[in-house]
Amino acid sequence: ILNVEQSPQSLHVQEGDSTNFTCSFPSSNFYALHWYRWETAKSPEALFVMTLNGDEKKKGRISATLNTKEGYSYLYIKGSQPEDSATYLCASRGGGATNKLIFGTGTLLAVQP
Amino acid sequence: GAGVSQSPSNKVTEKGKDVELRCDPISGHTALYWYRQSLGQGLEFLIYFQGNSAPDKSGLPSDRFSAERTGGSVSTLTIQRTQQEDSAVYLCASSLRLAVAKNIQYFGAGTRLSVL
Repeated sequence: ILNVEQSPQSLHVQEGDSTNFTCSFPSSNFYALHWYRWETAKSPEALFVMTLNGDEKKKGRISATLNTKEGYSYLYIKGSQPEDSATYLCASRGGGATNKLIFGTGTLLAVQP
Repeated sequence: GAGVSQSPSNKVTEKGKDVELRCDPISGHTALYWYRQSLGQGLEFLIYFQGNSAPDKSGLPSDRFSAERTGGSVSTLTIQRTQQEDSAVYLCASSLRLAVAKNIQYFGAGTRLSVL
């Protein structure tokens, strides 16, 4: 059974601050790591999916890194904006037939203008 | 439609009633998943469909929960004799192919179920 943990649980920053969150996951039987952004009353939006140790992905001001040997991923937001306010979810997919994702409880980011 | 569509967006029901939640996946997506998020919890896997069959039902919390998928498209999640602990946001996701490491699951906006 996978156990995915995220920290911090919530974060309040000022507009323009840069911030980062952590996702830890069991490194055994690892297959892929997903990051999603979830705004209230909307669909979770896929940000990144990473599979290889050392993977780095970037989308605008948001980037992510992956360490599969030690079982962690970081998500970075540079120059936070109020529209970045959302819950950021990470999910690990283990090997196996179903492709099911095991999610952490998320990091709630609030960016104050 | 362009994305995963779920209905209703909100459902309030009385304890003991049955409810049906609907998911319309992205056209052509053969894999379909149901998850739920209870208060204070992470998203929790319920069931996975490949086509019309459900090879993994391991996340369904009790026999009051069932799901079906017809025509390889629309899926319904049925909860019988609802209990207050069933209150949660129920999310559906679909994806293109299974055996691809970077396969992305695309989510609907969810159904918020409140059991009074």
